[in-house]
Amino acid sequence: GESVGLHLPTLSVQEGDNSIINCAYSNSASDYFIWYKQESGKGPQFIIDIRSNMDKRQGQRVTVLLNKTVKHLSLQIAATQPGDSAVYFCAPVSGNTGKLIFGQGTTLQVKP
Amino acid sequence: GAGVSQSPSNKVTEKGKDVELRCDPISGHTALYWYRQSLGQGLEFLIYFQGNSAPDKSGLPSDRFSAERTGGSVSTLTIQRTQQEDSAVYLCASSSEAGPNNQPQHFGDGTRLSIL
Repeated sequence: GESVGLHLPTLSVQEGDNSIINCAYSNSASDYFIWYKQESGKGPQFIIDIRSNMDKRQGQRVTVLLNKTVKHLSLQIAATQPGDSAVYFCAPVSGNTGKLIFGQGTTLQVKP
Repeated sequence: GAGVSQSPSNKVTEKGKDVELRCDPISGHTALYWYRQSLGQGLEFLIYFQGNSAPDKSGLPSDRFSAERTGGSVSTLTIQRTQQEDSAVYLCASSSEAGPNNQPQHFGDGTRLSIL
């Protein structure tokens, strides 16, 4: 079946530094990808999405890069803040049902 | 505006009892999803609704699990004869469109289910 893997289960960065969270997916037919942030006790919160006809998309302090050739995404967070501490998931969307395929997430820890 | 609302936020019940979990999606969202998240894990898809019909039930783990959606809005997930392995956070999400033009899913904060 489809799978999603994140390269590091935990990423620790200094406040103010940039963070890069990586994600690999297995299904070359995936054409839509969403990044979510999940804080303890909360549901996943939408951060940014990207479709397969793009290779880069920018939001507020976040950039997502998509490399379809190697089936890899990254989420870059600029000037990381303590409030960015959370678990981050990339989720390819599967087929026409729109269901999300989640991996285990990367925990981002921001040190003051 | 109002997001996805789930109730109860916490549920503790004894093994063998039935439980019913409720989801109120964002108004106007036609697509509704249920996921399950076990401790420290990613989310596991359970079922997808488009309007009142469920074209994808492939994630329901057993016939003890069922879900319905009425009026194209509220959905309930029912677990019969609960087992300890059913303990998890059950998350609901909705989106304005699923299909060739998939739109982002927005999640509620889940129901934390504990089976004693």
